[in-house]
Amino acid sequence: NAGVTQTPKFRILKIGQSMTLQCAQDMNHNYMYWYRQDPGMGLKLIYYSVGAGITDKGEVPNGYNVSRSTTEDFPLRLELAAPSQTSVYFCASSSRTGPRSFGQGTRLTVV
Amino acid sequence: GEDVEQSLFLSVREGDSSVINCTYTDSSSTYLYWYKQEPGAGLQLLTYIFSNMDMKQDQRLTVLLNKKDKHLSLRIADTQTGDSAIYFCAEIDGNSGYALNFGKGTSLLVTP
Repeated sequence: NAGVTQTPKFRILKIGQSMTLQCAQDMNHNYMYWYRQDPGMGLKLIYYSVGAGITDKGEVPNGYNVSRSTTEDFPLRLELAAPSQTSVYFCASSSRTGPRSFGQGTRLTVV
Repeated sequence: GEDVEQSLFLSVREGDSSVINCTYTDSSSTYLYWYKQEPGAGLQLLTYIFSNMDMKQDQRLTVLLNKKDKHLSLRIADTQTGDSAIYFCAEIDGNSGYALNFGKGTSLLVTP
């Protein structure tokens, strides 16, 4: 049981490039979330999903897109990367009211 | 969203008790959570409390909930150097009903 797995762990992007952050969970959780964590700040919700085919915007969705074609996977897409997207990205999953399980994070730098 | 407030830093001596405080915003939040983050790692769920409880104890951890004041605290008894980390308080986001709103985190430093 791997829990929540995020790839890659680290990435450097040039301004204007695109990339997809991968997230997979093997706990059969319906709910999945993407957060970003900036230095000295808490986590801000980017997008979340309550099940396959359903996604909703969180607090800071601009510059990102998500899809949820399966229960297990919830990739986060960055189009036209900007320096403001330099952050640590965390994926999480849960049952409806259960505790959230977090991945180990993806540290992204945009230069 | 509205802010969950925490003090930013706390320093204690090894063996003492630590108390980390949090003020949350959504009185309808059914659960309130404490997460721990060690350097370079993800968030680890420490404990959580259901909103109809006043207190929950789990080994060295005690969570106190004051719903009237929307105040949550985490007490760590016999604090150890391995407890040094950032501790996040979180409430369920009222807009989604599922996602969490996090505080900015309290950095706990335990000195020998």
